Amino acid sequence: GENVEQHPSTLSVQEGDSAVIKCTYSDSASNYFPWYKQELGKRPQLIIDIRSNVGEKKDQRIAVTLNKTAKHFSLHITETQPEDSAVYFCAASSDMGRRALTFGSGTRLQVQP
Amino acid sequence: NAGVTQTPKFRILKIGQSMTLQCTQDMNHNYMYWYRQDPGMGLKLIYYSVGAGITDKGEVPNGYNVSRSTTEDFPLRLELAAPSQTSVYFCASRTPNRTGKNNQPQHFGDGTRLSIL
Repeated sequence: GENVEQHPSTLSVQEGDSAVIKCTYSDSASNYFPWYKQELGKRPQLIIDIRSNVGEKKDQRIAVTLNKTAKHFSLHITETQPEDSAVYFCAASSDMGRRALTFGSGTRLQVQP
Repeated sequence: NAGVTQTPKFRILKIGQSMTLQCTQDMNHNYMYWYRQDPGMGLKLIYYSVGAGITDKGEVPNGYNVSRSTTEDFPLRLELAAPSQTSVYFCASRTPNRTGKNNQPQHFGDGTRLSIL
């Protein structure tokens, strides 16, 4: 089955700096890669996703890049703000079978004001 | 639309007790999922369903059962609660692929926080 590894497990940045979180996946059939933000005690919230026919996608201060050959994808947050502080999860799924998500272990991002 | 609704929000069980976690969605989604999230970890798939009457195991199905008698409801049953099942349980749903729109995102409920003592 799919295995998703996520690094780093914790990340502390100064307000205004950029943050980068990286994930690798193992199943070459995976073709959908969402990123979720989870605040304490809340549900995971989809913040951005990318499909395998695209190499990069951007939404305001958030961008995701995908390298299918190397089987890795990354989340980039620019101009970080204290409200960006949360746990971020990457995930992967394929467009076949159960279409369920395999999640990474999460990155706790702390933005220092 | 209310989206995905889970009940209860919190529950404390004693070892050996049983309970059912409820999940319902009003978006007419075919696919439904149960995940568990242990402290400081990502979500792991317990069971899933691709439509009414069809269910299958995920990564961590032991100790759980599900049923899917309607499109809207996907309850998760714990028969003999064990401390290892202390976790936060999330239900999610998604619509099937449509022409030109593959890999639709999953919608999550607010979760059920379950403690077994």
